[in-house]
Amino acid sequence: NAGVTQTPKFRVLKTGQSMTLLCAQDMNHEYMYWYRQDPGMGLRLIHYSVGEGTTAKGEVPDGYNVSRLKKQNFLLGLESAAPSQTSVYFCASIKGHRDYGYTFGSGTRLTVV
Amino acid sequence: AQTVTQSQPEMSVQEAETVTLSCTYDTSESDYYLFWYKQPPSRQMILVIRQEAYKQQNATENRFSVNFQKAAKSFSLKISDSQLGDAAMYFCASMEYGNKLVFGAGTILRVKS
Repeated sequence: NAGVTQTPKFRVLKTGQSMTLLCAQDMNHEYMYWYRQDPGMGLRLIHYSVGEGTTAKGEVPDGYNVSRLKKQNFLLGLESAAPSQTSVYFCASIKGHRDYGYTFGSGTRLTVV
Repeated sequence: AQTVTQSQPEMSVQEAETVTLSCTYDTSESDYYLFWYKQPPSRQMILVIRQEAYKQQNATENRFSVNFQKAAKSFSLKISDSQLGDAAMYFCASMEYGNKLVFGAGTILRVKS
């Protein structure tokens, strides 16, 4: 049981390049989330999904797109990377009951130069 | 929208001593959950303890306990008998409607031997 798997773990992009971060969970969880972590700001919600085929905006959605074509996968895309998107990105999932909190992936460190 | 405030950017504790990390939150909901997460240098997000808002009793997990003051909207974490392995970033978080976690900015805990 792998839990939540994020790929890649590290990436360096040039300004203007595009990329996709993949999040995969094998726990049959309904809800999935993408957060970014920046120093002094904690984790901020980018986009989330409450089920296959659904997506919604979080607190800081600008510059990102997401897709949830399959229940187990949640993709985060950067169409034209900017230095302001340098951050650590976390994916998380939850089955539907709040009491147990999230299961997190191990994070992706993205640097945009 | 919910907000979570951690007013201590950094704390230090002597090994075997007790330390308390502060957290306040703001919510208009009556049913919510509160969490403390630990993030060691490995970057992994680890659930430390959770509290259901409708429960009066403070949650306890081994050396970790909370002081939940619902009227004051305060949710502090007490770590007893601190160990070197407790050194990490600690995040307080609340879960609002839609199962979205809202995080504080974090507190870095340093443990001195």
